Amino acid sequence: GDSVTQMEGPVTLSEEAFLTINCTYTATGYPSLFWYVQYPGEGLQLLLKATKADDKGSNKGFEATYRKETTSFHLEKGSVQVSDSAVYFCALKNNQGGKLIFGQGTELSVKP
Amino acid sequence: SQTIHQWPATLVQPVGSPLSLECTVEGTSNPNLYWYRQAAGRGLQLLFYSVGIGQISSEVPQNLSASRPQDRQFILSSKKLLLSDSGFYLCAWSEVTLNQPQHFGDGTRLSIL
Repeated sequence: GDSVTQMEGPVTLSEEAFLTINCTYTATGYPSLFWYVQYPGEGLQLLLKATKADDKGSNKGFEATYRKETTSFHLEKGSVQVSDSAVYFCALKNNQGGKLIFGQGTELSVKP
Repeated sequence: SQTIHQWPATLVQPVGSPLSLECTVEGTSNPNLYWYRQAAGRGLQLLFYSVGIGQISSEVPQNLSASRPQDRQFILSSKKLLLSDSGFYLCAWSEVTLNQPQHFGDGTRLSIL
């Protein structure tokens, strides 16, 4: 079945460092891909999305490119801030009832 | 614009007591609706989803049930709570169009004593 695999956390970075959180997927057909962010004690917020191969999603300085050849959707940010500390979830959506398949989440901690 | 409301934000219940968590969506019609549980350690587990009034699909066998009495109302219930029902419960909605994302409520932190 469909699945999403994220890099293990926690990831600890200093402020202004470059961020990469790896995400790879297994799916039939052509899924849509998403990154969500969850701040402590809150629900999930949609961060960005891509609906077809080579699409680049971007928001708040974060970017991810839908790479069908490597089945990947890695999240990147050029300069992280302390306020980016959160848990990040990669997810895919296939044409099966609209359900999202989530990765296990990656915790990011940014130190001043 | 669309909004999703989930309540209560926090709930402490004794073992064996009933449960009712409510979720409502505004600003859209005929959304798909979802209930998730997030146990300690971050992973999200889909519990139920609904594509219309009275239509509920259960993803995992458990002590909980869901109902959709109105188009934009989704209720999570239990007749008798277990200790293992503790967790963070999240409601979400999405448009029925294939590529649309899900949008989440703020969650309910449920503690069973």
